[in-house]
Amino acid sequence: EDKVVQSPLSLVVHEGDTVTLNCSYEVTNFRSLLWYKQEKKAPTFLFMLTSSGIEKKSGRLSSILDKKELFSILNITATQTGDSAVYLCAHNSGGSNYKLTFGKGTLLTVNP
Amino acid sequence: DVKVTQSSRYLVKRTGEKVFLECVQDMDHENMFWYRQDPGLGLRLIYFSYDVKMKEKGDIPEGYSVSREKKERFSLILESASTNQTSMYLCASGGAGRAWDTQYFGPGTRLTVL
Repeated sequence: EDKVVQSPLSLVVHEGDTVTLNCSYEVTNFRSLLWYKQEKKAPTFLFMLTSSGIEKKSGRLSSILDKKELFSILNITATQTGDSAVYLCAHNSGGSNYKLTFGKGTLLTVNP
Repeated sequence: DVKVTQSSRYLVKRTGEKVFLECVQDMDHENMFWYRQDPGLGLRLIYFSYDVKMKEKGDIPEGYSVSREKKERFSLILESASTNQTSMYLCASGGAGRAWDTQYFGPGTRLTVL
């Protein structure tokens, strides 16, 4: 059974700090790994990673995948209170039955 | 912009009632999904559909059924609601091929079963 484990489960930081969120996975087949941000509503898509070592960036957020060690990290630099959210990592195993397996998420709280 | 809408943001039902949750997407996506989200358990897939009238069970299909009569619309049905089905229900849609990877979510329906 595919598994996605995120750590830490929760994190409290001050504005301006840099944070690193972790996602490790155990899967039978790999197609892609995705990061989502969820505030008090639906998850919104951040990144999709398919290749090792290639960093994806969007403003202060970046993410990278290590397919050998089976993990991904999401970095947020110069955090702002608006970054407070649950960050979800999901794995897509592909195949004929499409499915995303989600981790339980990391709750990030950024205090002013 | 992809838009996924759900029929209700909040719903309160009684045990034994039949409940319909509707989801509509406007991007002509082939794939649509229903998840439930519970504290400590994360997002779990209930059912998904890859075409009109086609459906596949997800991880937790028991107690649920689905209907997809039109491409843009995917309904989740609780035949006889129970208190353990109190949860946040999220619908998502995604395209075909490589676009499968990115799913777009609706705003969610918070269902309470009394």
